[in-house]
Amino acid sequence: NAGVTQTPKFQVLKTGQSMTLQCAQDMNHEYMSWYRQDPGMGLRLIHYSVGAGITDQGEVPNGYNVSRSTTEDFPLRLLSAAPSQTSVYFCASSALGGGSYNEQFFGPGTRLTVL
Amino acid sequence: KQEVTQIPAALSVPEGENLVLNCSFTDSAIYNLQWFRQDPGKGLTSLLLIQSSQREQTSGRLNASLDKSSGRSTLYIAASQPGDSATYLCALERTNAGKSTFGDGTTLTVKP
Repeated sequence: NAGVTQTPKFQVLKTGQSMTLQCAQDMNHEYMSWYRQDPGMGLRLIHYSVGAGITDQGEVPNGYNVSRSTTEDFPLRLLSAAPSQTSVYFCASSALGGGSYNEQFFGPGTRLTVL
Repeated sequence: KQEVTQIPAALSVPEGENLVLNCSFTDSAIYNLQWFRQDPGKGLTSLLLIQSSQREQTSGRLNASLDKSSGRSTLYIAASQPGDSATYLCALERTNAGKSTFGDGTTLTVKP
């Protein structure tokens, strides 16, 4: 199993550009989520999904869109990049069942700089 | 709104010392609590997951406890090693939906 994979690892954008951060998992997990990590702010939830076709907003959703057409993939779209979106973005997944199945697994992150 | 606090923000200890990292939370209605490790420039690695109904979990030199009534969890690291140097994060899920609230982490340095 590759676990949770994210592409690209690094990205530089100019203000106003759009792009999609890719996230995929091969563990057949129902739950997937996107977080951003900023110095002094910790990790904050952007969007999450409890299954294919179902998404919802987290704590900081503005400026981002998501969709979940398959169980495996959960892309994050930046509609019009702003310098405030400079951050490290992490994708995570976990299974539906209770107990230890709820363990969250994280991808390696995408480091995004918006100039 | 759930708030998660980790104190201290940074900790430096000599190799071999036993240590405790703290995680406090304001809302005791949690589904589970998970401890992660993050190395510089890397992603998060899961260390231990404690379900709401559990009091503690152990893995090797690590032991995590949960006390919902006091709003506290601790991560105990026995016989610390330089390789344990990293940032340790606690994360709480309020419901079974794959979304967590994170603390800011404790950065641990273990000196040889």
